[in-house]
Amino acid sequence: DTGVSQNPRHKITKRGQNVTFRCDPISEHNRLYWYRQTLGQGPEFLTYFQNEAQLEKSRLLSDRFSAERPKGSFSTLEIQRTEQGDSAMYLCASSLGGGPYGYTFGSGTRLTVV
Amino acid sequence: KNEVEQSPQNLTAQEGEFITINCSYSVGISALHWLQQHPGGGIVSLFMLSSGKKKHGRLIATINIQEKHSSLHITASHPRDSAVYICAVIRVTGRRALTFGSGTRLQVQP
Repeated sequence: DTGVSQNPRHKITKRGQNVTFRCDPISEHNRLYWYRQTLGQGPEFLTYFQNEAQLEKSRLLSDRFSAERPKGSFSTLEIQRTEQGDSAMYLCASSLGGGPYGYTFGSGTRLTVV
Repeated sequence: KNEVEQSPQNLTAQEGEFITINCSYSVGISALHWLQQHPGGGIVSLFMLSSGKKKHGRLIATINIQEKHSSLHITASHPRDSAVYICAVIRVTGRRALTFGSGTRLQVQP
């Protein structure tokens, strides 16, 4: 297992287009998290899954954002009708269980909306 | 006010110096993480603490649960330690995902 994998690494899109990112967690990890990070800031929570169930969504996750984890393995994050303010690094992390367990982070997908 | 506050925001040190980064939080937690982020985005977990002190190589992390405060120390700093160091907590109640501080950008000059 090579850790948490995110694709693509970079995405440049025109305003108004839809984009989809993928995260493949560590196979035995049942929890998967999406975060967004803008320049000079710490990551902000977007949503997380336990297996295929989406247990929490941040208020940051507007109606244009949707995330799925259909079989409790990989996850996708889709942004519809992208805006320039969506430009950020989108980070995925996974863990085994919750609470004080270790997290493994992916390298992120950097989105630029032009 | 953010639930997790770090200081300083930026830190420049000379190679060999002893470095301290501080983290204060305002919520009850079950664990605190110190993370390292290099340019390009990848985040690496350095420590996970629920009490006391942990040491790994030149890195030492401490936590005082009563004071809601943690510190990350780097002894004999080296230019390769240059990175952003982020404190993150897991709350006892409410959100089970990490809540992050804004990070401390460390630059170690040779």
